[in-house]
Amino acid sequence: NAGVTQTPKFQVLKTGQSMTLQCAQDMNHEYMSWYRQDPGMGLRLIHYSVGAGITDQGEVPNGYNVSRSTTEDFPLRLLSAAPSQTSVYFCASSQGVGAEAFFGQGTRLTVV
Amino acid sequence: AQSVAQPEDQVNVAEGNPLTVKCTYSVSGNPYLFWYVQYPNRGLQFLLKYITGDNLVKGSYGFEAEFNKSQTSFHLKKPSALVSDSALYFCAVRGPYGNNRLAFGKGNQVVVIP
Repeated sequence: NAGVTQTPKFQVLKTGQSMTLQCAQDMNHEYMSWYRQDPGMGLRLIHYSVGAGITDQGEVPNGYNVSRSTTEDFPLRLLSAAPSQTSVYFCASSQGVGAEAFFGQGTRLTVV
Repeated sequence: AQSVAQPEDQVNVAEGNPLTVKCTYSVSGNPYLFWYVQYPNRGLQFLLKYITGDNLVKGSYGFEAEFNKSQTSFHLKKPSALVSDSALYFCAVRGPYGNNRLAFGKGNQVVVIP
């Protein structure tokens, strides 16, 4: 099983550029989430989805957009990259409230 | 909103000694609690969870955790630490109502000294 696949693994952007981080899962999970990980701050929730066509904001949604047109895919869009968005981004999926989340390998993004 | 506190930034322990990583939580209703481990340059891996039932839960790699409702704690333990246990450990909580938000603590760096 591939599990949760994120692409790309590394990315360097210039301030003001836009890009999409891809996330796909093959486990037919309803719930998908995007987190960013910064030193000393743990994982902070950016956006999440409880099913196709349903998304909601997390703790730090500003500057990011998501959509969920299929169960499998949950892309994260950076609208106009800023240095403060330099971080490691993780996508996760789970099935049900009591189920553990499965994480992708992460995308290390640097905005210069 | 749910939240998690992991009070220690780093835990140092000698190989072979017991390892404890502390976690306290805040949530409305009965919690769903999780522990994850992260090795360098990797994603998070699930270790164990508490949903209901026995307060002592056992997980992967010899880890266990004890749920204490009165103290709102879910400490991770291992009887005998290995050097390979050196990693970043995250506690997470999800509430039973409404959305499926999973809130993480800041993480604890565990260093096992040979």
